[in-house]
Amino acid sequence: QKEVEQNSGPLSVPEGAIASLNCTYSDRGSQSFFWYRQYSGKSPELIMFIYSNGDKEDGRFTAQLNKASQYVSLLIRDSQPSDSATYLCAVNPFGNEKLTFGTGTRLTIIP
Amino acid sequence: EPEVTQTPSHQVTQMGQEVILRCVPISNHLYFYWYRQILGQKVEFLVSFYNNEISEKSEIFDDQFSVERPDGSNFTLKIRSTKLEDSAMYFCASSSGGAPYNEQFFGPGTRLTVL
Repeated sequence: QKEVEQNSGPLSVPEGAIASLNCTYSDRGSQSFFWYRQYSGKSPELIMFIYSNGDKEDGRFTAQLNKASQYVSLLIRDSQPSDSATYLCAVNPFGNEKLTFGTGTRLTIIP
Repeated sequence: EPEVTQTPSHQVTQMGQEVILRCVPISNHLYFYWYRQILGQKVEFLVSFYNNEISEKSEIFDDQFSVERPDGSNFTLKIRSTKLEDSAMYFCASSSGGAPYNEQFFGPGTRLTVL
């Protein structure tokens, strides 16, 4: 079983709509969850982190965490063409310093 | 805004040669990491470093790899005898806190090409 799973996409969303990105993880003891954005050829850029069950909002971004279902998601409201990128879900497994990354979901915003 | 910097941006080397990749973490951060990303694949953890010692390493981080903080600002990754399969983007990251509150900020990366 993969540690962090994401749908690889591509996910195409019209400009102005809501983009929904999903991630599941296998380590039930994981305590912190991160969303990174990676443009082609660039490094991961931290956009959201969440530690507690529920929703966390930051501007157009909302992270949602459900530890019982081992599921974390990222919503992007009012999607812009500049949001087109690969979104990486990363999880901090219990007792570790490392982040375990998923393979990423490629998001394309269609003008 | 403080950021992680890495040099060089691109390194080309012959198989069997030693390479040193350099990083300057964010100045008040205490935890340092190296990750790599082979083209088209996911980001993989190599090693974490805190209080001048390795705190965790992955199976990839074998005896050919070493890390060092030679002074108060630099953090280096050395690959002693490079292999073709070491070709990848290498990212340095740093965080102010340890797990689980370890929001890690990545540098721009060094593209390593082994010929």
